[in-house]
Amino acid sequence: AIQMTQSPSSLSASVGDRVTITCRASQGIRNDLGWYQQKPGKAPKLLIYAASSLQSGVPSRFSGSGSGTDFTLTISSLQPEDFATYYCLQDYNYPRTFGQGTKLEIK
Amino acid sequence: QVQLQESGPGLVKPSGTLSLTCAVSGGSISSSNWWSWVRQPPGKGLEWIGEIYHSGSTNYNPSLKSRVTISVDKSKNQFSLKLSSVTAADTAVYYCARLDSIAARPKGFDYWGQGTLVTVSS
Repeated sequence: AIQMTQSPSSLSASVGDRVTITCRASQGIRNDLGWYQQKPGKAPKLLIYAASSLQSGVPSRFSGSGSGTDFTLTISSLQPEDFATYYCLQDYNYPRTFGQGTKLEIK
Repeated sequence: QVQLQESGPGLVKPSGTLSLTCAVSGGSISSSNWWSWVRQPPGKGLEWIGEIYHSGSTNYNPSLKSRVTISVDKSKNQFSLKLSSVTAADTAVYYCARLDSIAARPKGFDYWGQGTLVTVSS
């Protein structure tokens, strides 16, 4: 199975900060990667698909980049509602595998 | 607007079988989508369990494959999960989700159920 390694595992930041989360795949996955946001007690929400495509309805402060093994999710200016846990997921092959998550907390 | 709703027992005895159903509304389960189950143990990360296409084709996580069966009921517009020989390690919130695609390439899980907690305990 492809291992997805996210970093950092947790992150403290302030409203207005620019934040970057990375995800590294144990082998190349083209651009078959998505980013999800999860708030406590809620289902994950798709933010980015195909590594860099913004899901409909998601604010433009979210962006994704990368291809092959290294990917990033960037939030350009943190808003209060962005404090959550973020997961990457590879769709390249089976089994589909998630990163371990990055918890974004308020500083 | 597609909606997914999980249902099933919230408590299962060890060595028993966990059974959940995901009802799909606002869209057809016979659309060109894969339908998945994902779980999340309390306080932990997400794990993909498996998926089904309306034709009945399935893909399973090898870590669970020997215990998992996913089936589809097109007449009821729903799909189901069975996980056998459960232990406390199977205690988790179970989500159903729809995988979108474009030109046969994945576009991510765009619709999710709200999740249901299943506890394995005697």
